[in-house]
Amino acid sequence: EVQLVESGGESVQPGGSLRLSCAASGFIFSDLYMDWVRQAPGKGLEWVGRIRNKLNGYTTEYAASVEGRFTISRDDSKKSLYLQMNSLKTEDTAVYYCTRAYTSTSRGIGYWGQGTLVTVSS
Amino acid sequence: QSVLTQPPSTSGTPGQRVTISCSGSSSNIGSNHVYWYQQLPGTAPKLLICRNDQRPSGVPDRFSGSKSGTSASLAISGLRSEDEADYYCATWDDSMSGRVFGGGTRLTVL
Repeated sequence: EVQLVESGGESVQPGGSLRLSCAASGFIFSDLYMDWVRQAPGKGLEWVGRIRNKLNGYTTEYAASVEGRFTISRDDSKKSLYLQMNSLKTEDTAVYYCTRAYTSTSRGIGYWGQGTLVTVSS
Repeated sequence: QSVLTQPPSTSGTPGQRVTISCSGSSSNIGSNHVYWYQQLPGTAPKLLICRNDQRPSGVPDRFSGSKSGTSASLAISGLRSEDEADYYCATWDDSMSGRVFGGGTRLTVL
């Protein structure tokens, strides 16, 4: 069974930093692209960024709203995905979802974690 | 404003068929596969349709997807009360080099 379990969400002040983690199980983590997606309270889904697999150089892409502030990384040996968030703004308040590609060749999002809440407030 | 355009809301009665549209452009829907997600209240989204019109294992055949040009649609037939949820379309945008979502459509079962 595919499982994605996020952790690390908490309340932080504007300008602060936070690191989210996602523990994956039930599939070959190293084969797949992984994304982070967020959802502000009462709002729709917003893509945060993506990291490719080793075969594709672990390269990353980010939404314009987080480029330069957020960094996605992965540790295939630990089957873990990370989101380092710096210079946090109040508008970054959201539930952050760890997601994986449907398959190694169908790279749309196929599975979602349960999400972790990040609150940026003074 | 979302890159992909969906109606904010729609409704139907039990047993009815409803469709939800998703409009984009040549750089997103026009050149990439569309995925559809269902988000029940208070839960994480769940994949309903992949690669425009394919149903993952476990998704009832009441749900179907289609794509034509720069638009896509999700159809739900034999509407049930448990289908009441938010529905999102998504795809990759080559110009933005990023994944884009529709704004979501809230389905109410009357």
